[in-house]
Amino acid sequence: ETGVTQSPTHLIKTRGQQVTLRCSSQSGHNTVSWYQQALGQGPQFIFQYYREEENGRGNFPPRFSGLQFPNYSSELNVNALELDDSALYLCASSQRWSEQYFGPGTRLTVT
Amino acid sequence: SQQGEEDPQALSIQEGENATMNCSYKTSINNLQWYRQNSGRGLVHLILIRSNEREKHSGRLRVTLDTSKKSSSLLITASRAADTASYFCATDDAGGTSYGKLTFGQGTILTVHP
Repeated sequence: ETGVTQSPTHLIKTRGQQVTLRCSSQSGHNTVSWYQQALGQGPQFIFQYYREEENGRGNFPPRFSGLQFPNYSSELNVNALELDDSALYLCASSQRWSEQYFGPGTRLTVT
Repeated sequence: SQQGEEDPQALSIQEGENATMNCSYKTSINNLQWYRQNSGRGLVHLILIRSNEREKHSGRLRVTLDTSKKSSSLLITASRAADTASYFCATDDAGGTSYGKLTFGQGTILTVHP
């Protein structure tokens, strides 16, 4: 059974650019959630996808968007990057209503 | 916004001692989960306790939940240097439209000295 994987591991972007982060779910999981973790803070919920539909969203602006594919993998897109978007981005997969299993994260630096 | 508040923010102990971390939260919950994070990498799920449970054990971990006080504690017994990490509580809030939206605290940094 493979765990949750994320790519890339690290990424450096310039303010105003756009970025796409990718997540592969653990086998058998149909739900993916994305979190943003700023340095020294706990993760904050961005949104969740269940069977390719957005199933809840945290307090993030529309320039944060996502997709879930038929194989339950997922993408997080961030447009018009700001310096404050620098963070560790974590995805987690689960069966619906079960504990979430996190990937290793993508560290995004915006300069 | 952070729902949980963890106490203490940092804890330093010797190997073999017990470590206790506390978490308080504000709203009704479906369940509360504890996670460990090493060096700013991915979170490792430790234990989930449901709102109708009061205590749960897993190996050297013991979690309690008091829904009347909206608080939980994580006890790690006989700690090891490998337990050095940040520990987070996360609540799955009841009444929300998205089951599985976790709200995390700011974490407790545990250092276990050999």
